[in-house]
Amino acid sequence: GAVVSQHPSWVICKSGTSVKIECRSLDFQATTMFWYRQFPKQSLMLMATSNEGSKATYEQGVEKDKFLINHASLTLSTLTVTSAHPEDSSFYICSARWDSQETQYFGPGTRLLVL
Amino acid sequence: QKEVEQDPGPLSVPEGAIVSLNCTYSNSAFQYFMWYRQYSRKGPELLMYTYSSGNKEDGRFTAQVDKSSKYISLFIRDSQPSDSATYLCAMSNQAGTALIFGKGTTLSVSS
Repeated sequence: GAVVSQHPSWVICKSGTSVKIECRSLDFQATTMFWYRQFPKQSLMLMATSNEGSKATYEQGVEKDKFLINHASLTLSTLTVTSAHPEDSSFYICSARWDSQETQYFGPGTRLLVL
Repeated sequence: QKEVEQDPGPLSVPEGAIVSLNCTYSNSAFQYFMWYRQYSRKGPELLMYTYSSGNKEDGRFTAQVDKSSKYISLFIRDSQPSDSATYLCAMSNQAGTALIFGKGTTLSVSS
Protein backbone atom coordinates (compact mmCIF):
# COMPACT_ATOMS: atom_id res chain seq x y z
CA GLY A 1 0.00 0.00 0.00
CA ALA A 2 0.89 3.67 -0.17
CA VAL A 3 3.41 4.74 2.46
CA VAL A 4 3.81 8.20 3.94
CA SER A 5 6.63 9.04 6.31
CA GLN A 6 7.21 11.98 8.61
CA HIS A 7 10.37 13.29 10.18
CA PRO A 8 11.04 13.84 12.95
CA SER A 9 8.66 11.61 14.90
CA TRP A 10 8.98 13.88 17.91
CA VAL A 11 10.67 17.14 18.72
CA ILE A 12 11.14 19.27 21.81
CA CYS A 13 12.10 22.89 21.35
CA LYS A 14 12.34 26.13 23.26
CA SER A 15 9.70 28.81 22.93
CA GLY A 16 10.55 31.22 20.13
CA THR A 17 12.43 28.76 17.94
CA SER A 18 11.30 27.41 14.58
CA VAL A 19 10.68 23.76 13.83
CA LYS A 20 10.48 22.08 10.44
CA ILE A 21 8.51 18.87 9.90
CA GLU A 22 8.90 16.82 6.71
CA CYS A 23 6.26 14.70 5.07
CA ARG A 24 7.28 12.28 2.32
CA SER A 25 5.35 9.95 0.06
CA LEU A 26 7.68 6.98 -0.34
CA ASP A 27 6.12 4.98 -3.15
CA PHE A 28 3.87 7.36 -5.02
CA GLN A 29 3.78 10.89 -6.32
CA ALA A 30 1.59 13.02 -4.10
CA THR A 31 -0.20 15.71 -6.05
CA THR A 32 -1.95 16.83 -2.89
CA MET A 33 -0.80 16.80 0.71
CA PHE A 34 -2.79 17.80 3.76
CA TRP A 35 -1.58 18.93 7.16
CA TYR A 36 -3.66 18.19 10.25
CA ARG A 37 -3.22 18.94 13.92
CA GLN A 38 -4.53 16.81 16.76
CA PHE A 39 -4.71 17.93 20.37
CA PRO A 40 -5.05 15.32 23.15
CA LYS A 41 -8.41 13.53 23.08
CA GLN A 42 -9.50 15.67 20.13
CA SER A 43 -10.04 14.85 16.51
CA LEU A 44 -7.79 15.73 13.61
CA MET A 45 -8.31 19.29 12.46
CA LEU A 46 -7.25 20.31 8.99
CA MET A 47 -4.70 23.10 8.92
CA ALA A 48 -3.97 23.44 5.22
CA THR A 49 -4.13 21.79 1.82
CA SER A 50 -1.06 21.80 -0.36
CA ASN A 51 -0.85 21.06 -4.07
CA GLU A 52 2.56 20.52 -5.62
CA GLY A 53 3.94 23.72 -7.07
CA SER A 54 1.17 25.91 -5.66
CA LYS A 55 0.69 27.95 -2.54
CA ALA A 56 -1.02 26.16 0.29
CA THR A 57 -4.64 26.87 1.13
CA TYR A 58 -5.07 27.46 4.83
CA GLU A 59 -8.15 26.81 6.92
CA GLN A 60 -9.84 29.65 8.71
CA GLY A 61 -8.04 30.49 11.93
CA VAL A 62 -4.69 29.01 10.88
CA GLU A 63 -2.00 31.67 10.58
CA LYS A 64 -0.17 31.18 7.30
CA ASP A 65 2.76 33.30 8.44
CA LYS A 66 3.21 31.09 11.47
CA PHE A 67 2.73 27.73 9.80
CA LEU A 68 4.76 27.82 6.60
CA ILE A 69 4.00 25.04 4.15
CA ASN A 70 6.14 24.16 1.17
CA HIS A 71 5.26 21.47 -1.36
CA ALA A 72 8.18 21.80 -3.72
CA SER A 73 8.17 18.29 -5.13
CA LEU A 74 5.72 15.45 -5.71
CA THR A 75 7.13 13.49 -2.81
CA LEU A 76 7.90 16.11 -0.18
CA SER A 77 5.99 18.70 1.78
CA THR A 78 7.32 20.60 4.77
CA LEU A 79 5.57 22.37 7.61
CA THR A 80 7.60 24.97 9.49
CA VAL A 81 6.24 26.22 12.79
CA THR A 82 7.84 29.62 13.18
CA SER A 83 8.46 31.17 16.59
CA ALA A 84 6.83 28.25 18.30
CA HIS A 85 5.02 28.76 21.59
CA PRO A 86 3.78 26.26 24.18
CA GLU A 87 0.24 26.45 22.78
CA ASP A 88 1.62 25.07 19.49
CA SER A 89 2.46 21.81 21.24
CA SER A 90 0.44 19.19 19.46
CA PHE A 91 0.50 16.13 17.23
CA TYR A 92 1.01 17.16 13.60
CA ILE A 93 -0.03 14.65 10.95
CA CYS A 94 0.27 14.87 7.19
CA SER A 95 -1.62 12.90 4.58
CA ALA A 96 -1.11 12.51 0.87
CA ARG A 97 -2.95 11.37 -2.22
CA TRP A 98 -2.38 11.18 -5.97
CA ASP A 99 -4.69 12.48 -8.64
CA SER A 100 -6.84 9.43 -9.28
CA GLN A 101 -6.96 8.34 -5.65
CA GLU A 102 -10.09 9.16 -3.68
CA THR A 103 -8.62 8.39 -0.27
CA GLN A 104 -5.68 9.79 1.65
CA TYR A 105 -2.81 8.00 3.30
CA PHE A 106 -1.55 9.33 6.58
CA GLY A 107 1.92 9.67 7.95
CA PRO A 108 2.80 8.45 11.46
CA GLY A 109 2.66 11.97 12.90
CA THR A 110 5.12 14.29 14.62
CA ARG A 111 4.72 15.13 18.25
CA LEU A 112 5.86 18.68 19.02
CA LEU A 113 6.49 19.90 22.55
CA VAL A 114 7.37 23.54 23.00
CA LEU A 115 8.84 24.43 26.37
CA GLN B 1 -23.99 21.51 15.87
CA LYS B 2 -20.72 19.98 14.77
CA GLU B 3 -20.52 18.61 11.27
CA VAL B 4 -19.60 15.13 12.46
CA GLU B 5 -20.62 13.70 15.82
CA GLN B 6 -19.01 10.61 17.30
CA ASP B 7 -19.33 9.26 20.83
CA PRO B 8 -15.80 9.25 22.26
CA GLY B 9 -16.50 6.31 24.57
CA PRO B 10 -14.53 4.63 25.98
CA LEU B 11 -16.08 1.39 24.86
CA SER B 12 -14.94 -1.78 26.60
CA VAL B 13 -15.88 -5.23 25.33
CA PRO B 14 -14.67 -8.80 25.93
CA GLU B 15 -12.74 -10.65 23.27
CA GLY B 16 -15.03 -12.17 20.64
CA ALA B 17 -17.77 -9.56 21.02
CA ILE B 18 -19.36 -7.72 18.12
CA VAL B 19 -18.54 -4.03 18.25
CA SER B 20 -20.70 -1.30 16.78
CA LEU B 21 -19.25 2.15 16.21
CA ASN B 22 -21.30 5.03 14.84
CA CYS B 23 -21.17 8.58 13.55
CA THR B 24 -23.83 11.06 12.61
CA TYR B 25 -23.34 14.06 10.39
CA SER B 26 -25.22 17.15 9.37
CA ASN B 27 -23.89 17.97 5.88
CA SER B 28 -26.01 16.19 3.30
CA ALA B 29 -23.36 16.88 0.65
CA PHE B 30 -20.99 14.30 2.14
CA GLN B 31 -20.61 11.37 -0.24
CA TYR B 32 -17.33 9.74 0.73
CA PHE B 33 -17.13 7.97 4.07
CA MET B 34 -14.13 6.44 5.74
CA TRP B 35 -13.18 4.69 8.93
CA TYR B 36 -9.67 5.03 10.27
CA ARG B 37 -8.00 3.20 13.14
CA GLN B 38 -5.48 5.10 15.21
CA TYR B 39 -3.21 3.53 17.78
CA SER B 40 -1.82 5.71 20.53
CA ARG B 41 0.72 8.23 19.25
CA LYS B 42 0.45 6.94 15.68
CA GLY B 43 -1.07 8.25 12.47
CA PRO B 44 -4.52 7.06 11.33
CA GLU B 45 -4.70 3.89 9.24
CA LEU B 46 -7.45 3.54 6.64
CA LEU B 47 -9.78 0.64 7.45
CA MET B 48 -12.82 1.07 5.27
CA TYR B 49 -13.90 3.38 2.48
CA THR B 50 -17.45 3.72 1.15
CA TYR B 51 -18.94 5.90 -1.50
CA SER B 52 -22.56 6.99 -0.99
CA SER B 53 -25.03 4.68 0.74
CA GLY B 54 -24.67 0.96 1.21
CA ASN B 55 -22.67 -1.72 2.92
CA LYS B 56 -19.10 -2.84 2.50
CA GLU B 57 -17.46 -5.85 4.10
CA ASP B 58 -13.78 -6.61 4.53
CA GLY B 59 -12.91 -9.56 6.72
CA ARG B 60 -14.19 -8.91 10.23
CA PHE B 61 -15.14 -5.33 9.40
CA THR B 62 -18.41 -4.08 7.90
CA ALA B 63 -19.12 -0.46 7.08
CA GLN B 64 -22.64 0.83 6.56
CA VAL B 65 -23.77 4.19 5.28
CA ASP B 66 -27.34 5.46 5.52
CA LYS B 67 -27.40 8.83 3.81
CA SER B 68 -31.13 9.31 4.41
CA SER B 69 -30.47 9.25 8.17
CA LYS B 70 -27.00 10.82 7.91
CA TYR B 71 -25.66 7.90 9.90
CA ILE B 72 -22.66 5.65 9.36
CA SER B 73 -21.56 2.56 11.23
CA LEU B 74 -18.59 0.27 11.55
CA PHE B 75 -19.08 -3.26 12.85
CA ILE B 76 -16.24 -5.40 14.08
CA ARG B 77 -16.95 -9.11 14.43
CA ASP B 78 -15.01 -11.47 16.69
CA SER B 79 -13.17 -8.55 18.25
CA GLN B 80 -9.57 -9.11 19.31
CA PRO B 81 -7.35 -7.36 21.86
CA SER B 82 -5.35 -6.05 18.91
CA ASP B 83 -8.45 -4.13 17.83
CA SER B 84 -8.01 -1.90 20.89
CA ALA B 85 -7.49 1.56 19.42
CA THR B 86 -9.30 4.78 18.62
CA TYR B 87 -11.63 4.58 15.63
CA LEU B 88 -12.21 7.74 13.66
CA CYS B 89 -14.94 8.30 11.13
CA ALA B 90 -14.17 10.76 8.35
CA MET B 91 -16.06 12.09 5.40
CA SER B 92 -15.92 14.51 2.49
CA ASN B 93 -18.19 15.83 -0.21
CA GLN B 94 -15.70 15.46 -3.05
CA ALA B 95 -13.20 12.75 -3.83
CA GLY B 96 -9.71 13.55 -2.70
CA THR B 97 -10.58 16.68 -0.74
CA ALA B 98 -9.80 17.31 2.90
CA LEU B 99 -11.59 15.13 5.38
CA ILE B 100 -13.87 16.11 8.24
CA PHE B 101 -13.21 13.83 11.17
CA GLY B 102 -15.25 12.73 14.12
CA LYS B 103 -13.64 12.91 17.56
CA GLY B 104 -12.94 9.21 17.58
CA THR B 105 -14.20 6.36 19.76
CA THR B 106 -11.73 4.63 22.02
CA LEU B 107 -12.23 0.87 22.01
CA SER B 108 -10.74 -1.56 24.49
CA VAL B 109 -11.04 -5.31 23.90
CA SER B 110 -10.11 -7.42 26.88
CA SER B 111 -8.87 -11.01 26.64
